[in-house]
Amino acid sequence: DTEVTQTPKHLVMGMTNKKSLKCEQHMGHRAMYWYKQKAKKPPELMFVYSYEKLSINESVPSRFSPECPNSSLLNLHLHALQPEDSALYLCASRLTGVTGNTIYFGEGSWLTVV
Amino acid sequence: DAKTTQPNSMESNEEEPVHLPCNHSTISGTDYIHWYRQLPSQGPEYVIHGLTSNVNNRMASLAIAEDRKSSTLILHRATLRDAAVYYCILSVNYGQNFVFGPGTRLSVLP
Repeated sequence: DTEVTQTPKHLVMGMTNKKSLKCEQHMGHRAMYWYKQKAKKPPELMFVYSYEKLSINESVPSRFSPECPNSSLLNLHLHALQPEDSALYLCASRLTGVTGNTIYFGEGSWLTVV
Repeated sequence: DAKTTQPNSMESNEEEPVHLPCNHSTISGTDYIHWYRQLPSQGPEYVIHGLTSNVNNRMASLAIAEDRKSSTLILHRATLRDAAVYYCILSVNYGQNFVFGPGTRLSVLP
């Protein structure tokens, strides 16, 4: 079962709210990713977790806080966001151990900051 | 950082072959070339990937230049369901980071 599940599918939040995006996979993948995609643009990498440890942070503002509580779950905690943070947030996972392994994406969470 | 360039858009007639090009002149020896496509309101979907040799699967073929500085995704018979944005992606840092190209929007005409 090659599936990455993201919740919620849609989220509207105010600039003072605290919310979280969740991602789950049960494929035994030990690398998990957060990407941000603005309209008509390619996805941009935000964070990479490898074996539940943060391995890449692409200079993302601290109002975005990732968390990997176990090998199947990845969260993105959101606080004090700006309207320009409105975007599609994509989670992905990859089987580690082989350089050529592909990455599997979820359907994404649409975030609107008002 | 390895980068890819792709045409902004391409058009094809239904049931004709489509060749989608990608340039990646700064690719390093361990970077794999991946192709994904994205339909509206969906996450990117895997199409094909390779390192040096040409690759075929049920969806498409991938032709990789001998110097690896360019590649071409080949859809053998385009259907209306193939209309999507196609991304050429390099997996760098020994596969840890996937760097998206700008994408090519493919339109398929009936």
